[in-house]
Amino acid sequence: QSVLTQPPSVSGAPGQRVTISCTGSSSNIGAGYDVHWYQQLPGTAPKLLIYGNSNRPSGVPDRFSGSKSGTSASLAISGLQAEDEADYYCQSYDSSLSGSVFGGGTKLTVL
Amino acid sequence: QLQLQESGPGLVKPSETLSLTCTVSGGSISSSSYYWGWIRQPPGKGLEWIGSIYYSGSTYYNPSLKSRVTISVDTSKNQFSLKLSSVTAADTAVYYCARHSLPTHWFDPWGQGTLVTVSS
Repeated sequence: QSVLTQPPSVSGAPGQRVTISCTGSSSNIGAGYDVHWYQQLPGTAPKLLIYGNSNRPSGVPDRFSGSKSGTSASLAISGLQAEDEADYYCQSYDSSLSGSVFGGGTKLTVL
Repeated sequence: QLQLQESGPGLVKPSETLSLTCTVSGGSISSSSYYWGWIRQPPGKGLEWIGSIYYSGSTYYNPSLKSRVTISVDTSKNQFSLKLSSVTAADTAVYYCARHSLPTHWFDPWGQGTLVTVSS
């Protein structure tokens, strides 16, 4: 059981917008710690997609956006493309565990 | 461009110690503001942070693995290493090394990962 909870899967048609939720608690997201998102394409290492809740590293399309509110965070992907099909993970810091924690991951299927 | 590369045995016997090294290129492991971390991913499962180290040698570990984990750094070789003792089949995973930004705690970039199988 992951400390951060994500839906196992989401799907959408090309061009549509999907969101992936990440629910935490008062010892991680709710305590004000930043949420980061990673994209893992099949057979590859995770890649930082969003850092500090809503910031995109250089090279990440603006179709990807992040937000945070209370004990939850969300990743939104607009204008879905076939190459967006991947696993997505949220990550934060947990003060009770004194370490970094990941969500269980969400598999995005582009229909 | 900063790059990380994991190396080490792909097969470890149960009860033995798993040892991996991460070589950093394109930048110095002695950079301030960054720790260097290990993360693992069992086949078909999610990511688990193992622990991280600063170039000075300061470490912090996942409490669930702390009793079995040792992370060390060799600044002269621009490398850091992971040792995980008393391994079982549950430790079979792809092991990644990554730069760990503090105090924000994001990981970037990541190495390509190396699969370690625990089996007799």
